[in-house]
Amino acid sequence: QSVLTQPPSVSGAPGQRVTISCTGSSSNIGAGYDVHWYQHLPGTAPKLLIYGNTNRPSGVPDRFSGSKSGTSASLAITGLQADDEADYYCQSYDGSLSGPWVFGGGTKLTVL
Amino acid sequence: QIQLVQSGAEVKKPGASVKVSCKASGYTFITYGISWVRQAPGQGLEWMGWISVNNGNTNYAQKLQGRLTMSTDTSTSTAYMELRSLRSDDTAVYYCARAPPSPFVGTPFDYWGQGTLVTVSS
Repeated sequence: QSVLTQPPSVSGAPGQRVTISCTGSSSNIGAGYDVHWYQHLPGTAPKLLIYGNTNRPSGVPDRFSGSKSGTSASLAITGLQADDEADYYCQSYDGSLSGPWVFGGGTKLTVL
Repeated sequence: QIQLVQSGAEVKKPGASVKVSCKASGYTFITYGISWVRQAPGQGLEWMGWISVNNGNTNYAQKLQGRLTMSTDTSTSTAYMELRSLRSDDTAVYYCARAPPSPFVGTPFDYWGQGTLVTVSS
């Protein structure tokens, strides 16, 4: 059981928009700590997708966006493409014994 | 360009130890930390621990304390992760990642190694 809760899977057709939620608590996201998102393709290194809740590293398309409110955060992907199919993880700082860094359980995105 | 290059796959017997290396290049090694993250088959990412390259301070996940040691060699810009008393559920791909210089800095893990498969089997 991960400290940050994500849906196990989401899906969407090419061109559509999907969102992935990340729910935490008062010891992590709710305490004001930043949320980061990673894209992970099997057999490769995880790739930083969103940092500091809403910021995209250089080279990440603006189809990817992040938001945060209260004890939750979300990753939105618009204009779905086949190569977006991957696992997505949220990460935050946690002030409890679980931390300091914690990941969500991951969400498998399937492009139909 | 910034790179983290890890050592190759390992096969170990239960009870043995494994030491994985992570050689950094393209940035000033001492100004960041290194974290280690693992992914067991069919599971998600699990944060294992962090080390400050500057002063050697460490912070390990509670479940791994006592079996895990992280270290660095600044002369070769290499980080090491040693896990002892291996069990079958330690079978996983182990990743190193460039991390903040302190646990209290909220920046992400922005560069990752390619991963090292460690298989624990009798």
